[in-house]
Amino acid sequence: DGGITQSPKYLFRKEGQNVTLSCEQNLNHDAMYWYRQDPGQGLRLIYYSQIVNDFQKGDIAEGYSVSREKKESFPLTVTSAQKNPTAFYLCASSVWGKMDEQFFGPGTRLTVL
Amino acid sequence: DAKTTQPPSMDCAEGRAANLPCNHSTISGNEYVYWYRQIHSQGPQYIIHGLKNNETNEMASLIITEDRKSSTLILPHATLRDTAVYYCIVRTLTGTASKLTFGTGTRLQVTL
Repeated sequence: DGGITQSPKYLFRKEGQNVTLSCEQNLNHDAMYWYRQDPGQGLRLIYYSQIVNDFQKGDIAEGYSVSREKKESFPLTVTSAQKNPTAFYLCASSVWGKMDEQFFGPGTRLTVL
Repeated sequence: DAKTTQPPSMDCAEGRAANLPCNHSTISGNEYVYWYRQIHSQGPQYIIHGLKNNETNEMASLIITEDRKSSTLILPHATLRDTAVYYCIVRTLTGTASKLTFGTGTRLQVTL
């Protein structure tokens, strides 16, 4: 079945450690996105990528980094520079030409202790 | 992108139609209205979008007023599984990857 997978579903890390969240899609989508959601809030865009080896900052990119070496994969690294990393992280993808019909993964809930 | 205003919460009895309003009074001519929903602790799910004509798909109907300053998402026969936060988003369809700005949405509670 086609879809977007994020792993793990729950992740715990100590303060000061970098952590990488996985996002994989087998939908053959060109564009991929990372969002952050805090309790009771809407989603905020961290980074997005239109094609392989290219990505752009979203609204809240500080303290995060991404790579897009393969079309299927768009991992997000939460660095120690991110002041409030505890959140629900969502990855999405979309088809070129239908960029606004984004399909979302199940999310990863990151807790930094 | 134009700003949207939605009520924070709504209730609907199971089997009845759920009508979720959205105001977007500053919408411009080339901006589309999108609806997504997010069931608790899951990723958002695309529902429907439209420009000025009413739209219908297997999930819902979208009614856009003639002046395009507001719209209504209609779930014709709400079920308990439709309980979710519904987001109304207005943005330009550029054909390239760009952000969707999600507000706080409307929390729809479907009850027996």
